[in-house]
Amino acid sequence: ETGVTQSPTHLIKTRGQQVTLRCSSQSGHNTVSWYQQALGQGPQFIFQYYREEENGRGNFPPRFSGLQFPNYSSELNVNALELDDSALYLCASSLDRVSSYEQYFGPGTRLTVT
Amino acid sequence: QQQVKQSPQSLIVQKGGISIINCAYENTAFDYFPWYQQFPGKGPALLIAIRPDVSEKKEGRFTISFNKSAKQFSLHIMDSQPGDSATYFCAASMMTGANNLFFGTGTRLTVIP
Repeated sequence: ETGVTQSPTHLIKTRGQQVTLRCSSQSGHNTVSWYQQALGQGPQFIFQYYREEENGRGNFPPRFSGLQFPNYSSELNVNALELDDSALYLCASSLDRVSSYEQYFGPGTRLTVT
Repeated sequence: QQQVKQSPQSLIVQKGGISIINCAYENTAFDYFPWYQQFPGKGPALLIAIRPDVSEKKEGRFTISFNKSAKQFSLHIMDSQPGDSATYFCAASMMTGANNLFFGTGTRLTVIP
């Protein structure tokens, strides 16, 4: 069974640029959630996708957007990057929407905005 | 507003000792309470979880104690080992409706030999 994978591992961007982060869910899982983890903090929920539709969103501005593909992989896009966007971005997958409280995390993508 | 409050921020325990981490929540709609373990440079790993219909759940050296009336829950690590040194996060969620996880701020555990 393949776990959650994310790419890239690390990324450095300049303020104002755009970034796309990618996630492949665990085998058999169709629900994906994205979190932002600032240094020394707990993860903060960005949004969740189920069957290619957004299924809940946290307190993040519209410049944070996402996609889920038919194979259940997902992308997180962030436009107009700000310095405060520097964080570890985590993807978590769940078996399905009904059990999406049980989440399994990938290793994360470390984004640095300069 | 922090939905889940976690303490202590850091904890140092001797090898073989008991590590105790505490969490409190306000939202009575929460009905799923997991604990995650995170090593540096890694994503959080689901360790153990409890639902409010039981007061305690044990898996190996890890035990969750749950007090529904006090809206508190805690993680006990028995016979703590240096390999347990990591950051531990409690979280809470609702099993129906919006079921994103609300995380505590984390406890950095160091187990010294």
